[in-house]
Amino acid sequence: DGGITQSPKYLFRKEGQNVTLSCEQNLNHDAMYWYRQDPGQGLRLIYYSQIVNDFQKGDIAEGYSVSREKKESFPLTVTSAQKNPTAFYLCASSIAGQGTVLTFGSGTRLTVV
Amino acid sequence: QQQVKQSPQSLIVQKGGISIINCAYENTAFDYFPWYQQFPGKGPALLIAIRPDVSEKKEGRFTISFNKSAKQFSLHIMDSQPGDSATYFCAASSKAGGGNKLTFGTGTQLKVEL
Repeated sequence: DGGITQSPKYLFRKEGQNVTLSCEQNLNHDAMYWYRQDPGQGLRLIYYSQIVNDFQKGDIAEGYSVSREKKESFPLTVTSAQKNPTAFYLCASSIAGQGTVLTFGSGTRLTVV
Repeated sequence: QQQVKQSPQSLIVQKGGISIINCAYENTAFDYFPWYQQFPGKGPALLIAIRPDVSEKKEGRFTISFNKSAKQFSLHIMDSQPGDSATYFCAASSKAGGGNKLTFGTGTQLKVEL
C-alpha cells in the first residue's frame, strides 16, 4: 500500500539536543512538506520541497533544518535553536503542482524535557 | 497573522444532529478551499473541497457552503454520527507566487454524543 511513514511515533529528547524526524513516502510524489501542530494553532508549515535537492522555508522555519537528497525521503531536524520544540509534527506529500491535495503521515509526537 | 479564521474551537452535537463549522478568510487571491478531517493520533485526511466558482458542494452527509462576497465558507455535517467525532480543519490556498501552499485554520474538535 502506498503511503507516508513517519518514525518514530513518539520521541523524547533532552533540552539542547538536536533530533531528526524521519519521513518516507512511496507515493512517487514530487512535493513534500513538514507541518507542526499545536493545540489551538492549527497546522503551521515549517519547510516544503517541490523537487529533489531543493526546499523552501515555510512560515515557522526558524530552529529547523531539512534535506531532500532522495525523492522519497524528507527528514526534519529540530535543532537546539528551536525555542519550543515540543509538538506534534506531520509530514505530507503531494503531486507536483497540486500542493493543495496533501497526503499526511501519522505524525511524530516530540517531547523535549 | 492568521489568514483563515475558524470557529468554533470545539463543538458537541447529538447523534443525528447537524454540525456546522465556519471559516473566514482575508486573502482574496485564495482560490481553493479544502476541509481536512483528523482522528486522534493520525494525520489529517482530505474530506471535501470547493472552488469559488460554486456556492455549494455536497458529498454524502458533508456539504461545503461558500459565500465569496463575505469571504466565508462553512462545513455542514448532516445526520452527525459518533464516528464523525474528530478534529476538522478548513484551509485555503492560492496559486499566486508559483506555489500551492495551504493555509490552515486553527481546527474544530467535534464530538458527537449518543
